[in-house]
Amino acid sequence: AQSVTQLGSHVSVSEGALVLLRCNYSSSVPPYLFWYVQYPNQGLQLLLKYTSAATLVKGINGFEAEFKKSETSFHLTKPSAHMSDAAEYFCAVSDGSSNTGKLIFGQGTTLQVKP
Amino acid sequence: NAGVTQTPKFQVLKTGQSMTLQCAQDMNHNSMYWYRQDPGMGLRLIYYSASEGTTDKGEVPNGYNVSRLNKREFSLRLESAAPSQTSVYFCASIQRSGNTIYFGEGSWLTVV
Repeated sequence: AQSVTQLGSHVSVSEGALVLLRCNYSSSVPPYLFWYVQYPNQGLQLLLKYTSAATLVKGINGFEAEFKKSETSFHLTKPSAHMSDAAEYFCAVSDGSSNTGKLIFGQGTTLQVKP
Repeated sequence: NAGVTQTPKFQVLKTGQSMTLQCAQDMNHNSMYWYRQDPGMGLRLIYYSASEGTTDKGEVPNGYNVSRLNKREFSLRLESAAPSQTSVYFCASIQRSGNTIYFGEGSWLTVV
């Protein structure tokens, strides 16, 4: 069965610093992987998704993630944090061999950006 | 475009009361989903409907029922609410496998 582990429930960075949010997955089939962002009291917004086309995936707001099969990882990065990036971030894997909408989510990482 | 619309956005229930969360999408999507979000646990799938006329259990279906009323609408019902059902509920939809999944804005439910 698929599973997702996000390392670190809280990450704090200074404005302008590198953002690195870690995600490891377990999947018995080639995975579809996603990163979502959730701002306070709002729904989920898709940042980016991996669907086996390219291992380096670029998303919105300057975020990108690299799929590393050997490490079963899909870490999210952004070169320079902005105050507006403060939010909760979720990594998710599709439950099954195709992207059906049945997702397995990690527990989430809250990103704090300090001025 | 409205996308995925959920109502109500906020609701307080007493233990034992019943209520229905409504979800509608205007994107002609085939599949629809209900998730719940709890602190430190991410989102977990409650029920889903792969196509009009079908529904299936997800990871945490106990205490819930669903109805796929038509292609647009997918409702979630709590027959006898319990404090353990205090959560944020999200509806989602997808056209077909491989497409982008769209989420609603969420419904905040408190059971006292």
